[in-house]
Amino acid sequence: EPEVTQTPSHQVTQMGQEVILRCVPISNHLYFYWYRQILGQKVEFLVSFYNNEISEKSEIFDDQFSVERPDGSNFTLKIRSTKLEDSAMYFCASSKTGAASQPQHFGDGTRLSIL
Amino acid sequence: AQSVTQLDSHVSVSEGTPVLLRCNYSSSYSPSLFWYVQHPNKGLQLLLKYTSAATLVKGINGFEAEFKKSETSFHLTKPSAHMSDAAEYFCVVSEGPGTASKLTFGTGTRLQVTL
Repeated sequence: EPEVTQTPSHQVTQMGQEVILRCVPISNHLYFYWYRQILGQKVEFLVSFYNNEISEKSEIFDDQFSVERPDGSNFTLKIRSTKLEDSAMYFCASSKTGAASQPQHFGDGTRLSIL
Repeated sequence: AQSVTQLDSHVSVSEGTPVLLRCNYSSSYSPSLFWYVQHPNKGLQLLLKYTSAATLVKGINGFEAEFKKSETSFHLTKPSAHMSDAAEYFCVVSEGPGTASKLTFGTGTRLQVTL
């Protein structure tokens, strides 16, 4: 069964450094998402992406965050200048359509640790 | 605005006994509801979904959930727990309209299965 893949599984970065998290969505899916889960807290929506542009973003997704689909397969999340509070598990998801009834399929996540 | 409340942060059952994980939702529109499961160090796997068809929904691994609009509930059940069911379970709501519907997660219920 096709699946969403994320790399790396664990990223350790110094505070203030830039980090790029990578995702390969399911090949026939058109909608892409990033979520994050800070340790001990609920999974939170960050951003949705369709047709090479952001569809919706949360308050968390401020100017230090950006997303890109640089080619036909990858979907990336960039954090420009990382802060300690960016430490979290980041999940990528994809879906065939953007309808509320359409399930989103998740990757295994990237654990980001900011030192 | 949509929200989900998972009433128990931790549930412990004996192997072979029934499982009940409780979820209440709030939604401005007719919601789509999902249950996802997260095993340790793994991603979020879709267990089942409700999208306004049958109110009793069957999912993978013997799980099912019943949508009760009058009670705004979507509880997850399984007749007989197995050791492999030990994991974190998330009740999730998605609502339109929108170009790309975002998911709102509950805080999760950790299911422990004992011998």
